[in-house]
Amino acid sequence: DIQMTQSPSSLSTSVGDTVTITCRASQDIINSLAWYQQRSGSAPKVLLYAASRLVSGVPSRFSGSGSGTEYTLTITSLQPEDFATYYCQQYYSSSTFGQGTRLEIK
Amino acid sequence: QLLESGGDLVQPGGSLRLSCEASDFTFNIYGMTWVRQAPGTGLEWVASISGSGGNTKYADSVKGRFIISRDNSKNTVFLEMNSLRADDTAEYFCAKDADPENVVALIAVNGYSYYMDVWGEGTTVIVSS
Repeated sequence: DIQMTQSPSSLSTSVGDTVTITCRASQDIINSLAWYQQRSGSAPKVLLYAASRLVSGVPSRFSGSGSGTEYTLTITSLQPEDFATYYCQQYYSSSTFGQGTRLEIK
Repeated sequence: QLLESGGDLVQPGGSLRLSCEASDFTFNIYGMTWVRQAPGTGLEWVASISGSGGNTKYADSVKGRFIISRDNSKNTVFLEMNSLRADDTAEYFCAKDADPENVVALIAVNGYSYYMDVWGEGTTVIVSS
């Protein structure tokens, strides 16, 4: 099974900041990676897929990059509605989620 | 849209059947997935099923205890859960593959695993005596 290691587990940050979240896979997942946002009490919402492709309607301040075993989600100019928990998901072999990164307001 | 139901309080060792009714898309051409989230923790993939229902995959943690199935005539996917344990306590979400399975078969590296674009709001399962 493919393991996904996501870091950091939490991040204290401010509106307007830029943040980067990393996911490392235990093997090459050939860009088969999606990023989700989950607000408290709600279902997850997909933001990006294929590592770097933005889902229609998602603001352009969200971007993804990476290859092989290492992938990043970057959020520039954080907005109040961005404070949530973010998860990566590999879908190269079955499916595995990262442990999540909680963005908190400093 | 996806609407889950069937969550309940059940004793350890018991069984439960979750349902997820879909609307507003052509159900039988999309793979479907169950994902769970234990209280205060992250997301865990549980099981997936192809559009036809012919292919299923399970997480090791539920293999042999849970069964995913679907009734395309009723636009519904099910998760039958047996031999329930305390660590099965979670919110259970159903989710839809982002593309039809003929597209997934071409794009996905292994031909079936994919990301999900529509999620239900979840149903709560509590396993406790």
